[in-house]
Amino acid sequence: GDSVTQTEGQVALSEEDFLTIHCNYSASGYPALFWYVQYPGEGPQFLFRASRDKEKGSSRGFEATYDKGTTSFHLRKASVQESDSAVYYCALGENNYAQGLTFGLGTRVSVFP
Amino acid sequence: AQTIHQWPVAEIKAVGSPLSLGCTIKGKSSPNLYWYWQATGGTLQQLFYSITVGQVESVVQLNLSASRPKDDQFILSTEKLLLSHSGFYLCAWSPDRGGNTLYFGEGSRLIVV
Repeated sequence: GDSVTQTEGQVALSEEDFLTIHCNYSASGYPALFWYVQYPGEGPQFLFRASRDKEKGSSRGFEATYDKGTTSFHLRKASVQESDSAVYYCALGENNYAQGLTFGLGTRVSVFP
Repeated sequence: AQTIHQWPVAEIKAVGSPLSLGCTIKGKSSPNLYWYWQATGGTLQQLFYSITVGQVESVVQLNLSASRPKDDQFILSTEKLLLSHSGFYLCAWSPDRGGNTLYFGEGSRLIVV
């Protein structure tokens, strides 16, 4: 079945550091890829998506590029702030849009002042 | 603008007791609706989805059931709670076309004792 692997379970950074969270996927078709962010006690918030090879998604200073060759969609941000502390989820959705998304295990990001 | 509301916000229930969680979406007709479950510190596990009134598809049941009695309402229930039902239940909606992107509610926290 389809799956998403996030390499980092936890990341600790200082403000203004560069953030990278690695996301690799396995799918039989040509899925859409997503990043979500979840703050404590809240539902996940949609950050952005990409649907085609080499397409870049971005929002709030975060960005990721769909790479079909390496089956990856790594999340990056050049300069993190304390307010970026949250759990980040990579997800994929198959072409049958009704069936929902498959999420990775999540990466907890802690940014210290 | 679309809004999604879940109720109750939180519940503490006894093992063996019944449960009903609800979700209402306003401002969007004929949305696809989804239930996800999240264990504390865990990822998002899809439970059910529905593309129309009266039609619900199960992904992982976990001894739960779901119903869609109205276009804008999605209900998650069980007659007998288990300790393993504890967690965070999230309702989400997706446009009926244009696919995939999920927008989550604020969630319902359930503690089974």
